Amino acid sequence: EPEVTQTPSHQVTQMGQEVILRCVPISNHLYFYWYRQILGQKVEFLVSFYNNEISEKSEIFDDQFSVERPDGSNFTLKIRSTKLEDSAMYFCASSASGDGNQPQHFGDGTRLSIL
Amino acid sequence: SQQGEEDPQALSIQEGENATMNCSYKTSINNLQWYRQNSGRGLVHLILIRSNEREKHSGRLRVTLDTSKKSSSLLITASRAADTASYFCATAGNTGGFKTIFGAGTRLFVKA
Repeated sequence: EPEVTQTPSHQVTQMGQEVILRCVPISNHLYFYWYRQILGQKVEFLVSFYNNEISEKSEIFDDQFSVERPDGSNFTLKIRSTKLEDSAMYFCASSASGDGNQPQHFGDGTRLSIL
Repeated sequence: SQQGEEDPQALSIQEGENATMNCSYKTSINNLQWYRQNSGRGLVHLILIRSNEREKHSGRLRVTLDTSKKSSSLLITASRAADTASYFCATAGNTGGFKTIFGAGTRLFVKA
């Protein structure tokens, strides 16, 4: 069964540094998402992406965050100047449709640790 | 206030027992989905119920949806130790933008 893959599995970065988290969604999916999960807490929506543009973003997704689909397969999340509170698991997901009538398929996440 | 709040927050049962988890939400939805998360892993989709459906089954899972009460329940019958995980409900609104909101989850522990 096709999978969403995320790299790296664990990223350790100094505060203030830029970090790029990478995701390869399922190949025939058209809708892409990033979520964040602080340890022991709920999964929080960050952003959805369709047709090469952001469809919706949450209040968490401020100017420090950006997403990109640089080629036909990768989907990236960039944090420009990381803060301690950015430490969390970041999950990428993709779906065949965007209205929620198709399930989202999640990767296993990238654990981001900001020092 | 949060969309998609589950209760209980944690549930511990014996293998073979049934587990029931509840979810409440606040806004209009297109559908409601339940996901499972094993520790340290991504979420896995379990079942989707549309806003015009009242009940749905998939194997040992039974989901109900009451749109008048803005609530849903997930029942796992004949639980197994392997069902130990966190379970989340998620709602997709009808406002466009493809935003899905997850609840805080129920941590289920099934004792062998």
